[in-house]
Amino acid sequence: NAGVTQTPKFRVLKTGQSMTLLCAQDMNHEYMYWYRQDPGMGLRLIHYSVGEGTTAKGEVPDGYNVSRLKKQNFLLGLESAAPSQTSVYFCASSSDPTSTDTQYFGPGTRLTVL
Amino acid sequence: GNSVTQMEGPVTLSEEAFLTINCTYTATGYPSLFWYVQYPGEGLQLLLKATKADDKGSNKGFEATYRKETTSFHLEKGSVQVSDSAVYFCALPGSGGYNKLIFGAGTRLAVHP
Repeated sequence: NAGVTQTPKFRVLKTGQSMTLLCAQDMNHEYMYWYRQDPGMGLRLIHYSVGEGTTAKGEVPDGYNVSRLKKQNFLLGLESAAPSQTSVYFCASSSDPTSTDTQYFGPGTRLTVL
Repeated sequence: GNSVTQMEGPVTLSEEAFLTINCTYTATGYPSLFWYVQYPGEGLQLLLKATKADDKGSNKGFEATYRKETTSFHLEKGSVQVSDSAVYFCALPGSGGYNKLIFGAGTRLAVHP
């Protein structure tokens, strides 16, 4: 049981390049989330999904797209990377949408955009 | 909307010292409150939570009490260890359901032998 895994762990992009971050969970969780972590700002929600085939915008969605074609996977795409997207990206999942449930986090992807 | 404010770090302590990390919140109603911890090089993991007012969450020697009178959820530990060195985040659900979390800025704790 690997929990939540993220690929890749590190990546360096040039401005304007594109990439996809992959998140996978093996806990059969319905809900998945993408956050970004920036110094002094905690984690901010980018997009989330409430089930296979669904996506919704979070607090800071601009410049990102997501897809949830399979229940266990949640992909985060950057179509044209910008230096402002340099950050650490975390994926999380939870089994229950109620406000008492625990979110399980992946180890993160450190992205640098030059 | 809901928001959370936690004390700025870093906090530097000697082993066996007492720890308090302050967290205050603004929310409609009485949402669940969480403390997550991030150890170096890892993702976040739940440390403890409280689901209603006056509840006390506890885990690994850490405690936090949900105080609605002061809208606070301060994290405490009586005797910290070097292994407690990490970043601690206070969090609560945002609006619109689906357990979307709002996090504080995080407080870095460094414990020295």
